[in-house]
Amino acid sequence: DTAVSQTPKYLVTQMGNDKSIKCEQNLGHDTMYWYKQDSKKFLKIMFSYNNKELIINETVPNRFSPKSPDKAHLNLHINSLELGDSAVYFCASSLTGTGNTIYFGEGSWLTVV
Amino acid sequence: QKEVEQNSGPLSVPEGAIASLNCTYSDRGSQSFFWYRQYSGKSPELIMSIYSNGDKEDGRFTAQLNKASQYVSLLIRDSQPSDSATYLCAVRTGNTGKLIFGQGTTLQVKP
Repeated sequence: DTAVSQTPKYLVTQMGNDKSIKCEQNLGHDTMYWYKQDSKKFLKIMFSYNNKELIINETVPNRFSPKSPDKAHLNLHINSLELGDSAVYFCASSLTGTGNTIYFGEGSWLTVV
Repeated sequence: QKEVEQNSGPLSVPEGAIASLNCTYSDRGSQSFFWYRQYSGKSPELIMSIYSNGDKEDGRFTAQLNKASQYVSLLIRDSQPSDSATYLCAVRTGNTGKLIFGQGTTLQVKP
């Protein structure tokens, strides 16, 4: 009964490949996020969706494309992977009007070789 | 100037001592403040949230907020080795509503 689940947990891929990370939440939240944590542990927001609508789009390369088929799912597709994309990607969710506390998934460790 | 700043540490305290973790933020309009704990190889988990000036206590944890000084802190009383982790300060900015994280402070509690 994981609250925010993301797959895969580990992903090793070659430069130039395209990959996707999937995320689902069963908390009934209306807002979902993608965060990137680099090797220095700095956690930075990439995207946020509220009820399937994109509301935050940070300055990330357009090789990164989020997709929210419904408010319980937010997937991240990455084209033409580069070495610098290696990081941990966290999906998260929150409910508007409750202090907007964010709950994180377990993370997806992406290694580009 | 970073939006949310923390001393990266490591902060080392003996078991049973009080650990004091500090955070400053730049956006005066910020309204919501959070402390997350992250163990190595794990995801951040929420410890405390605080919204108004003063202290908020929850078990061994006390969050302190001073909006005039743009400062938020976390005190951990009776520190245990299991408290050893990275503590992330997060601030929801007033203008964009984004949750911005500091770089985290690594806490080591030595038995």
